[in-house]
Amino acid sequence: SQKIEQNSEALNIQEGKTATLTCNYTNYSPAYLQWYRQDPGRGPVFLLLIRENEKEKRKERLKVTFDTTLKQSLFHITASQPADSATYLCALPLKSGYNKLIFGAGTRLAVHP
Amino acid sequence: GAVVSQHPSWVICKSGTSVKIECRSLDFQATTMFWYRQFPKQSLMLMATSNEGSKATYEQGVEKDKFLINHASLTLSTLTVTSAHPEDSSFYICSAESGSRLNEQFFGPGTRLTVL
Repeated sequence: SQKIEQNSEALNIQEGKTATLTCNYTNYSPAYLQWYRQDPGRGPVFLLLIRENEKEKRKERLKVTFDTTLKQSLFHITASQPADSATYLCALPLKSGYNKLIFGAGTRLAVHP
Repeated sequence: GAVVSQHPSWVICKSGTSVKIECRSLDFQATTMFWYRQFPKQSLMLMATSNEGSKATYEQGVEKDKFLINHASLTLSTLTVTSAHPEDSSFYICSAESGSRLNEQFFGPGTRLTVL
């Protein structure tokens, strides 16, 4: 079955730097991959979706890459701000062609002033 | 747009009682709604998928008789935790998918259930 690995250790960075989070998956290559932000005690908020035929996707200060050979996605936040501090989740379709999602455990990002 | 609400946001109940959680899509019609459970510092785990007017599809290991799901309309799905026990204490989150924006799920704010 598909598994997702995200760095379980918190990522601490200085304000203004670029944060880079990693999502690795096993088994089949998904048709798309998503990134979500989750704040404590809240539901996830959709950030970006990148499809298998896209190498890179950008949205304001966010950038996502998708390498199907490495089975990896990288999530970048440029010019990070303390308000970016949250847990970031990677999600993939449970099976090829399904709309059900499997989530990674998330990586907690802390941006310090 | 694409707002999903949940009610209640938190609930405390005694062991053996049943608790109903509502999930509403406020400004769109949800063809499909999903229910997740999340334990502290863990990932969201999909419990079931519901489509309006049909029976929910439960993931492996999820008891359908314990977690009753009703998707009565295109804007409302309910999850009832029957005969709740302390091990059912968790954060329950619903999401909704719009027919016009496939592959994008909109999540509710979650419901914190504590069973004493």
